[in-house]
Amino acid sequence: AQTVTQSQPEMSVQEAETVTLSCTYDTSESDYYLFWYKQPPSRQMILVIRQEAYKQQNATENRFSVNFQKAAKSFSLKISDSQLGDAAMYFCAIPNIDSGYALNFGKGTSLLVTP
Amino acid sequence: DGGITQSPKYLFRKEGQNVTLSCEQNLNHDAMYWYRQDPGQGLRLIYYSQIVNDFQKGDIAEGYSVSREKKESFPLTVTSAQKNPTAFYLCASSIELTPMSAQYFGAGTRLSVL
Repeated sequence: AQTVTQSQPEMSVQEAETVTLSCTYDTSESDYYLFWYKQPPSRQMILVIRQEAYKQQNATENRFSVNFQKAAKSFSLKISDSQLGDAAMYFCAIPNIDSGYALNFGKGTSLLVTP
Repeated sequence: DGGITQSPKYLFRKEGQNVTLSCEQNLNHDAMYWYRQDPGQGLRLIYYSQIVNDFQKGDIAEGYSVSREKKESFPLTVTSAQKNPTAFYLCASSIELTPMSAQYFGAGTRLSVL
């Protein structure tokens, strides 16, 4: 079974600075995808970024990028030039092949952005 | 606009009552999912459906039931057998059942017990 661990319950960053959120996972699959989702105070889950395990290149979406270390089973999210609107819960997730590719989520990291 | 609509936003359940949470999508997605979120927790899978008239139990299906009579609709019923239903419920869909398919979420329903 796939598992996801987020070891930082809370993180804080100043506006315009960079922050990295950690995620480790375990899977027996050889090809898989990993996702980061954002849950702002409205509580709607929003896709931030997706990474395919076979791709060497780390995924990037504007100010969001990942540091994917396949051997270490690590998938961290870097947010550059942090903005007040980035304040949210961030969840790392991996699809579970045994459950119709439903997502197995970590417990989340709460990101606070200070002016 | 394409998306997933969940209703109601807030729902209250009395003791012994069944309540139904609505989830409708106009994205033409095949797969749909129900998740439960408790404070300080990630999301946990209740049920999922790959196609019409087919659905499978997730990790915490006890006390819940679903139907999938139409592609765009996947309602969740919280039965009286669910002894601790207070939680935030999220519905999601994806275009197909593959590991690459991102899931898109509704705005959620917060269920409380009176």
